[in-house]
Amino acid sequence: DSGVTQTPKHLITATGQRVTLRCSPRSGDLSVYWYQQSLDQGLQFLIHYYNGEERAKGNILERFSAQQFPDLHSELNLSSLELGDSALYFCASSVGVGGGETQYFGPGTRLLVL
Amino acid sequence: DAKTTQPNSMESNEEEPVHLPCNHSTISGTDYIHWYRQLPSQGPEYVIHGLTSNVNNRMASLAIAEDRKSSTLILHRATLRDAAVYYCILRSNQGGKLIFGQGTELSVKP
Repeated sequence: DSGVTQTPKHLITATGQRVTLRCSPRSGDLSVYWYQQSLDQGLQFLIHYYNGEERAKGNILERFSAQQFPDLHSELNLSSLELGDSALYFCASSVGVGGGETQYFGPGTRLLVL
Repeated sequence: DAKTTQPNSMESNEEEPVHLPCNHSTISGTDYIHWYRQLPSQGPEYVIHGLTSNVNNRMASLAIAEDRKSSTLILHRATLRDAAVYYCILRSNQGGKLIFGQGTELSVKP
């Protein structure tokens, strides 16, 4: 158990819909990262928040957005869903942002868009 | 971001040591070498990391070449639970995202 929790574990929805994925970081961790894992693209970085502020964006679609709240939990919002958005979404947390820091990953949310 | 090269797959026998290689010839002087693994149906899991010197922890050892252009993750006694995809990742001292390549899929035979 990494100490990072993600809800829900599974999500089935239809094209065009909107969903929200939630991540609670380990106690004391200020950084939250979101990653997407699909069969054809592998694990891809989406976005990074540190202490409530966006720090970096990766290959995140404009239909996707995220935020980190004052209690440090984070939400990833996916809208106008397409079949290709079906994937595993992981969040990870770390204490800070240094190169030698460890990222702890949650169990993921499996999204299926029908 | 500097790139890493790993074999697509490796096989090992249970209770034998496993050496997983990683080439990173374009590594910069301030890049950390991280290893993560992903067991089936789970999120990635931190294994070990280092900068210049060899490192040991309860899970594995990391041997870093003197010129830092390659490294080897060593599992001292492979178990069936070590079957996973192992990712070698370079991370700048500024930290931030992890860039995952294809990794090495390790299978362990009883």
